[in-house]
Amino acid sequence: GQNIDQPTEMTATEGAIVQINCTYQTSGFNGLFWYQQHAGEAPTFLSYNVLDGLEEKGRFSSFLSRSKGYSYLLLKELQMKDSASYLCAASDSNYQLIWGAGTKLIIKP
Amino acid sequence: EAEVAQSPRYKITEKSQAVAFWCDPISGHATLYWYRQILGQGPELLVQFQDESVVDDSQLPKDRFSAERLKGVDSTLKIQPAELGDSAMYLCASSYRGDWTDTQYFGPGTRLTVL
Repeated sequence: GQNIDQPTEMTATEGAIVQINCTYQTSGFNGLFWYQQHAGEAPTFLSYNVLDGLEEKGRFSSFLSRSKGYSYLLLKELQMKDSASYLCAASDSNYQLIWGAGTKLIIKP
Repeated sequence: EAEVAQSPRYKITEKSQAVAFWCDPISGHATLYWYRQILGQGPELLVQFQDESVVDDSQLPKDRFSAERLKGVDSTLKIQPAELGDSAMYLCASSYRGDWTDTQYFGPGTRLTVL
């Protein structure tokens, strides 16, 4: 079957660094997406990885290991506005997204 | 910046009533998706359109849900009759082609409450 696993909730301190992990099992693989979702709002696109390695975009970076079925999202210099859920989604052989349940990130001052 | 439009933003209805949601994708986007998201879960794909054709509606409860995209642009999702378990956020997303390099962009969603 197809499955995405990510932690339910994480807590971090303002100004710190946090890494949100995601493991996936899909029928075929066409890339890994990360989305941010604030409470009551729609998901917004953060990053896309299809090749192994690290993609950096400002304070956010995303890593992919295809052989391990593993990705992480790294958030640096955390700000209070980063408090949100972070959704991991893998694109399967039909280019449909298989979504994780999301990781709720709580930022403390 | 182009956005996906959805209406209404909020809808409260009683069970057994009919409800309809509207979505206007980003101009030029051929692929349109309707998702349902229950609090604390990831989005669940209900139906995917490529232009005016349904690509996948395998998870759409067809006894009560229907979706159309008649001219390949905007789309309507209908529920009739609504049930208590339909309370959720209904999200519309669009992408340029729907293939592997594509990013899905989401509208603001419709929060449905069924009483």
